[in-house]
Amino acid sequence: QITLKESGPTLVKPTQTLTLTCTFSGFSLSTSGVGVGWIRQPPGKALEWLALIYWDDDKRYSPSLKSRLTITKDTSKNQVVLTMTNMDPVDTATYYCAHSPGLWFGPWGQGTLVTVSS
Amino acid sequence: QSALTQPASVSGSPGQSITISCTGTSSDVGSYNLVSWYQQHPGKAPKLMIYEVSKRPSGVSNRFSGSKSGNTASLTISGLQAEDEADYYCCSYAGSSTFYVVFGGGTKLTVL
Repeated sequence: QITLKESGPTLVKPTQTLTLTCTFSGFSLSTSGVGVGWIRQPPGKALEWLALIYWDDDKRYSPSLKSRLTITKDTSKNQVVLTMTNMDPVDTATYYCAHSPGLWFGPWGQGTLVTVSS
Repeated sequence: QSALTQPASVSGSPGQSITISCTGTSSDVGSYNLVSWYQQHPGKAPKLMIYEVSKRPSGVSNRFSGSKSGNTASLTISGLQAEDEADYYCCSYAGSSTFYVVFGGGTKLTVL
């Protein structure tokens, strides 16, 4: 059974850097073809893809956010970390990580709500 | 890169069938068989319902089916049940010159 869980701060100040950790079980990020993605959802709004990292350390970012995002993996710890710099109130959202065996996402973690406010 | 276009809402009565459309462009939906659909109940994480246009993950009811024609993908739910009431999102790879994954704006399904 594949499970994922996001962890990190619930509140960050504008201009700060957000660091989120996705801890997963039930699969290995060293298996060919496997990836982990990050997707966010502002309150009451649609889903937005942020980043993907693959078993071979190939990293892909949303073009509109690429300059602010970094995704890394620790295969031994079964963790993927997403950092987002220069946080702004518009970045307030629920952030999800998800297993990505292809160019789709499933299952997903429960999500973590991050509020950006001074 | 623009979001895929979905109707804001659809509705149907129990037992009926409904279809949710997802319109993209020749750079995303029209070029790749990499459309996926997600169901999201209020306050819950999205759940994968369809991937690669028409494939169902293990455990997803066969009442859910997907298809694609040109730049438009569709999700059909047959035999509507109360538990199907949720938000539904489509998603597509939109590679071409830059790797990109794009979601639709979401559709609220109401079971009358």
